Amino acid sequence: AQSVAQPEDQVNVAEGNPLTVKCTYSVSGNPYLFWYVQYPNRGLQFLLKYITGDNLVKGSYGFEAEFNKSQTSFHLKKPSALVSDSALYFCAVRESRGNEKLTFGTGTRLTIIP
Amino acid sequence: ETGVTQTPRHLVMGMTNKKSLKCEQHLGHNAMYWYKQSAKKPLELMFVYSLEERVENNSVPSRFSPECPNSSHLFLHLHTLQPEDSALYLCASSLGTSGTYNEQFFGPGTRLTVL
Repeated sequence: AQSVAQPEDQVNVAEGNPLTVKCTYSVSGNPYLFWYVQYPNRGLQFLLKYITGDNLVKGSYGFEAEFNKSQTSFHLKKPSALVSDSALYFCAVRESRGNEKLTFGTGTRLTIIP
Repeated sequence: ETGVTQTPRHLVMGMTNKKSLKCEQHLGHNAMYWYKQSAKKPLELMFVYSLEERVENNSVPSRFSPECPNSSHLFLHLHTLQPEDSALYLCASSLGTSGTYNEQFFGPGTRLTVL
């Protein structure tokens, strides 16, 4: 069975500081990994994904994530936080083979403090 | 906008009512999904349709009945719901269900309140 954990329900970061939102996963084979963001009263928006290749993946709005196979992690990062980055962030994983569904984490609420 | 629309955006219904949620995607995708989002819980996948055929039903109660008349439209018919069914219902679509095509695009959701 596949699973994903987001250990922090809430992350607060001062505007302009770097931010990290943590995600660890468990799959039986190779993973496909995704980050989504949800703004208030909106659906989830795709940010970035890791399929294969370079472990550092760059996505929308200046976000990036690093795939670490040994630590089974896929943390989301941004060098300088903006107030507009405040939202709910979801990590998701699926097995690379077959038709496995996406498994989502419980979400991390990121608040950027002006 | 993601190319996936949902109506209505808000719905309040009694336990004896019958209502339907509608989802439409304008992306040419072949797969569509219904998710339930409750506070502080992971997204719960309810149904998956691929090329208009249901390929997954995650033990969802029969008071939720999906319908996919074509690859662009997905409905969720609701009847005799319970207050614990109150949640945000999200529709999503993807190019396919296998390989790298499982990147999903979400609609804005329908906020359902069952009284």
